[in-house]
Amino acid sequence: TQLLEQSPQFLSIQEGENLTVYCNSSSVFSSLQWYRQEPGEGPVLLVTVVTGGEVKKLKRLTFQFGDARKDSSLHITAAQPGDTGLYLCAGEATSGTYKYIFGTGTRLKVLA
Amino acid sequence: NAGVTQTPKFQVLKTGQSMTLQCAQDMNHNSMYWYRQDPGMGLRLIYYSASEGTTDKGEVPNGYNVSRLNKREFSLRLESAAPSQTSVYFCASSYRVNQPQHFGDGTRLSIL
Repeated sequence: TQLLEQSPQFLSIQEGENLTVYCNSSSVFSSLQWYRQEPGEGPVLLVTVVTGGEVKKLKRLTFQFGDARKDSSLHITAAQPGDTGLYLCAGEATSGTYKYIFGTGTRLKVLA
Repeated sequence: NAGVTQTPKFQVLKTGQSMTLQCAQDMNHNSMYWYRQDPGMGLRLIYYSASEGTTDKGEVPNGYNVSRLNKREFSLRLESAAPSQTSVYFCASSYRVNQPQHFGDGTRLSIL
């Protein structure tokens, strides 16, 4: 079974601080997505990364796919209360019966 | 611009009762999924349908059945509800299996 482990599990920071969330696996993924889930809603897709080493930016969010396509990171610059939510990574594994795996999640709270 | 619609949004059942959760998507997606989300557990796949006419078990299928009624609709049935099935249930869809998914807003189910 392929696993995607996220760290940290919980993060509480002050508005304006920077943070990085990690998504790690021992297996290779063909692509990787990041989702954000706000309370009472379903996850919403933020970005897809496909190529090893790829970096994508979405306003204050920077996403990176590891060179070996086994890990990814999400960096938020100058966090705002609106960034509060559950961040989930998910990936298309390269083997297995069902290949789309969700990570364990990072719950972020940004305090005003 | 509905996307993925789930009904009902909330439901309380007694142990042993049966219930069907409904899901419909209007994005012409081929693949549909049912997940449950428990506190601290992330998303766990119950069943999925890669295309109309096919269904397959996910990580936690016991106690559930599904029906892919047509391309748009994918229902989840609890035949004899148990307290362990208290959870938030999410339906999702994607253009093809193993691709990024669009989620509904969830059904909050409590079983007493």
